Parts: sequence; C-alpha cells; structure tokens
Amino acid sequence: SSDLTQDPAVSVALGQTVRITCQGDSLKNFLPNWFQQKPGQAPILVIHLRNNRPSGIPDRFSGSTSGNTASLTITGAQAEDEADYYCNSRDNSGFYVFGTGTKVTVL
Amino acid sequence: QVQLQQWGAGLLKPSETLSLTCAVYGGSIEGYYWSWIRQPPGKGLEWIGEINRRGTTNYNPSLKSRIVISVDTSKSHLSLRLNSVTAADTAVYYCARDGFELWGQGTLVTVSS
Repeated sequence: SSDLTQDPAVSVALGQTVRITCQGDSLKNFLPNWFQQKPGQAPILVIHLRNNRPSGIPDRFSGSTSGNTASLTITGAQAEDEADYYCNSRDNSGFYVFGTGTKVTVL
Repeated sequence: QVQLQQWGAGLLKPSETLSLTCAVYGGSIEGYYWSWIRQPPGKGLEWIGEINRRGTTNYNPSLKSRIVISVDTSKSHLSLRLNSVTAADTAVYYCARDGFELWGQGTLVTVSS
C-alpha cells in the first residue's frame, strides 16, 4: 500500500514536546517531508527530506525516521504551532502521496 | 523573492474543463520540478501530478486520464487542465515548486450545476 497514515489529532501543553507520526511502506525507501497548514492558508514545508529545516523554520521542529515510520517533533510547542500537519513522500511507483493529516492543538 | 501567483475559473459546471495557471515571479521556471496539489474542503492534501526539468510529466494514477500539466517557459507559467470535472473535483488547487518548498496561494474551484 502507498498510504501514509497519521493520527487524526494530538494535543500538547504550551512549552511541552509533541511527536507526530506518519506510517507507510513507502517510508522504508523514500525520505519524508512535513508540512504545516493553518486555516485558510497554503501549506508550509517545515521539514524537508527527513530532517532538514528550510530557512526560517524554528529549530524546535525536527524530523526522524525508523523503518516505516516518520516522526515530526515539536520541542517546546508554541501557540502559533497550532495547525494541521501533513507528511508526504514518494511511493514505490514514483508518485507522491500525502499523509492523512494530524490536527495539533496547543493547550 | 520568488513568488507563485495562481489564477483560473473558480466555478465550473459538471463535464467542463478546469484550467489553472501558476505564474512564477522573481525567479526562473526552468530547472525545477513543478507539482499541482489539491485539497477538497475540510479534507487532506492530494498530489495531482508533476512536470520535471525536461518537461516529462508524472500523474496521479487516479487522475491520469483527465489531466495535462505543462510549462510555458516563455511566460514562466505552469498550467493544469483537468477535463470532465464532477463535484468530486471541488477543491482548493495549489501549485508548488521542487520539493514543495514554495507554494502558490491556492485557487478554490467549485464544480456545481
């Protein structure tokens, strides 16, 4: 299967750490990207190819992979991190697939 | 600073053709992969397809029979055409550059009779 599965929602207390996971067979062979999307806005790339932060992305965002699971960690979550987060990667057929998305609530 | 500006018809009837343009300002359209992505209201992101640096296209199998992605380098325009639209094609459509590092602002396309 080329699906990427994410937990629908997670919550984190302000200043605490939250990990968002993404599972799928394609992650065994292809590096993931992570996107943040706030209501009414286009997605923003926050992690590129497993653990590279584009310019301007705070260093509290980090990524990792293990087997068929990719993780996005926000260390010291801020109120502005409340958003939907999506992973994506190539699949074994060379197409891109997006994860199902995780809504992060900062309490 | 490179910006992507999208436009196209926002309201279509079933069976019509969706046509969107994504203009690249402040940078070159050549030398990059370009993708289209869509997002139905309240739902997740779906990759539509891409065009690579050589002009070769790669389409989502679920849409392959209905879509054409092209680049006009003389105008620095990326285009998407999706024919025979139905209500299921109602979505916000985005263009994005290589590695999804840069996105257009999105265009809401509604298909309704």
